[in-house]
Amino acid sequence: LAKTTQPISMDSYEGQEVNITCSHNNIATNDYITWYQQFPSQGPRFIIQGYKTKVTNEVASLFIPADRKSSTLSLPRVSLSDTAVYYCLVGDQTGANNLFFGTGTRLTVIP
Amino acid sequence: GAVVSQHPSWVICKSGTSVKIECRSLDFQATTMFWYRQFPKQSLMLMATSNEGSKATYEQGVEKDKFLINHASLTLSTLTVTSAHPEDSSFYICSAPRLAGYNEQFFGPGTRLTVL
Repeated sequence: LAKTTQPISMDSYEGQEVNITCSHNNIATNDYITWYQQFPSQGPRFIIQGYKTKVTNEVASLFIPADRKSSTLSLPRVSLSDTAVYYCLVGDQTGANNLFFGTGTRLTVIP
Repeated sequence: GAVVSQHPSWVICKSGTSVKIECRSLDFQATTMFWYRQFPKQSLMLMATSNEGSKATYEQGVEKDKFLINHASLTLSTLTVTSAHPEDSSFYICSAPRLAGYNEQFFGPGTRLTVL
């Protein structure tokens, strides 16, 4: 079970780019990296997933270095509505590792 | 996108009563669903894996006789909290993978249970 480590909290001003890093030193060859966003009193929402290098969608970018021991979720030009908890999960497609949430990072966007 | 619903969104009950929470996949079939519990300011904790047509698999430390799970169809899983007590008050969330893999989970909106 690949354990993940994230900063507990981060603050950012509106309009800035926010980068949240996740460490996963024990990531296995078949593991993917998945990020979720959770607002208070709501279920998590899938943001992005990647295996290596860089993945980008309409919401965020995910940067994964060659050794894959860490990953960085990048949120461009955050707004107040991006205030949430962001979770990084690591696991393969067939196993249950992707079901275990770590502490997450509580992002607070300041006006 | 795939939608997972939960009902009710919140429930208040007296200690000793049982509460049923439904989790439905609205636009896809889910042979497997998952149940989580989340206490205030804490992360999600996986409680059990719900399998359509077979018994649920519970995580260590979760009482299977207290948290009854039934997955009677490909779109519905239910969690029944039996003889609820105040310490069972929590936010219960279900999820389902739309595709065969576990990587992308679709989560329900959650159910807030308060036991008086």
